[in-house]
Amino acid sequence: DADVTQTPRNRITKTGKRIMLECSQTKGHDRMYWYRQDPGLGLRLIYYSFDVKDINKGEISDGYSVSRQAQAKFSLSLESAIPNQTALYFCATSLPGAPDQETQYFGPGTRLLVL
Amino acid sequence: QKEVEQNSGPLSVPEGAIASLNCTYSDRVSQSFFWYRQYSGKSPELIMSIYSNGDKEDGRFTAQLNKASQYVSLLIRDSQPSDSATYLCAVRYGGSQGNLIFGKGTKLSVKP
Repeated sequence: DADVTQTPRNRITKTGKRIMLECSQTKGHDRMYWYRQDPGLGLRLIYYSFDVKDINKGEISDGYSVSRQAQAKFSLSLESAIPNQTALYFCATSLPGAPDQETQYFGPGTRLLVL
Repeated sequence: QKEVEQNSGPLSVPEGAIASLNCTYSDRVSQSFFWYRQYSGKSPELIMSIYSNGDKEDGRFTAQLNKASQYVSLLIRDSQPSDSATYLCAVRYGGSQGNLIFGKGTKLSVKP
């Protein structure tokens, strides 16, 4: 079944460590996104990519970097993790289409705790 | 700054009633609007999208859009306990290249 997967699903790390969250998709979608979700703040866009050679900053990119290794893979890195990066991280994908028909499909999420 | 506002709730309705969820947005050039449902600990999933003024129905769900008032709503008829979740309103700005701005969500509780 075509899907969006994220690894790891849960991660505990320490302040100052570099970590990578990975996203893979078998949907064949060109567009991929990284969001974080915090209680009371909703979903906020970190980075997005419309194809392999296209990377764009979202609303809250500071402290994060991304790599689009292939159409199907989009990784998010925290260069030096800090406690306020503790959050639930979602990867999403979409296929370009009419404005009201372009659906974003979300992965299961990675729960990150920075101590 | 583009904003999407939702009442955080919780909104509590009895089983079988109509649940009404509301969302307002700040930018008049917004083009398309989406409602996502998110169960606790799970990822968001799309319920409805709407592009034109008026109503759009899909089963027990009806999305309503009023661009003049910058208002979009979701009605859930015959609410079931399984509808208990957080409902996220999302607005796309900037056409097909635009990204989604999400509201903070409204938590709905349907009581048996």
